[in-house]
Amino acid sequence: QKEVEQNSGPLSVPEGAIASLNCTYSDRVSQSFFWYRQYSGKSPELIMSIYSNGDKEDGRFTAQLNKASQYVSLLIRDSQPSDSATYLCAVNIGGAGTYKYIFGTGTRLKVLA
Amino acid sequence: EPEVTQTPSHQVTQMGQEVILRCVPISNHLYFYWYRQILGQKVEFLVSFYNNEISEKSEIFDDQFSVERPDGSNFTLKIRSTKLEDSAMYFCASSDPGIAKNIQYFGAGTRLSVL
Repeated sequence: QKEVEQNSGPLSVPEGAIASLNCTYSDRVSQSFFWYRQYSGKSPELIMSIYSNGDKEDGRFTAQLNKASQYVSLLIRDSQPSDSATYLCAVNIGGAGTYKYIFGTGTRLKVLA
Repeated sequence: EPEVTQTPSHQVTQMGQEVILRCVPISNHLYFYWYRQILGQKVEFLVSFYNNEISEKSEIFDDQFSVERPDGSNFTLKIRSTKLEDSAMYFCASSDPGIAKNIQYFGAGTRLSVL
């Protein structure tokens, strides 16, 4: 069974701090990794995508990928109360021609004002 | 900005009834998906659709489920005989793997309540 694992949280950080969210996946051939934000009762909204080992930065967000360790993370700098949501790690499990996402359970982030 | 639209936003039905959930994917996308999320649980893949046929489906997507692209714009999910456990949010998504490395864009979802 191909899995994506996340700590469900809640992860509480003070406003202005860095929030660090982690995700591990089981399938070594996975090539594409995504972070989505989901507010309660709403649909997943894409935050970041990452495909190569290393860091990828977009504004206050940095995604980090380590394929050898099967680990992907998301850092949120200068956290704001509006960042309070559930962050979903999604992995495009499988090789070429396979496009479905497997989602983790999500990590609930609470940014305290 | 292009978006995936889903209708209705909320569907209430009686157990055993058929429901059809509708989606309009982003117009130049080629792959279409249905996911579901039971309240408090993870988002689960149901089915992907490409070139007018199912390309992948999960164990959840049994004979009670079917998908169709009845015209050039709509993509539907039909549940033939709903069960209580089908109550969930159903999300449609679309992507264009060739251009955007399979970034999937999600619609706002349809909340299905089976009574």
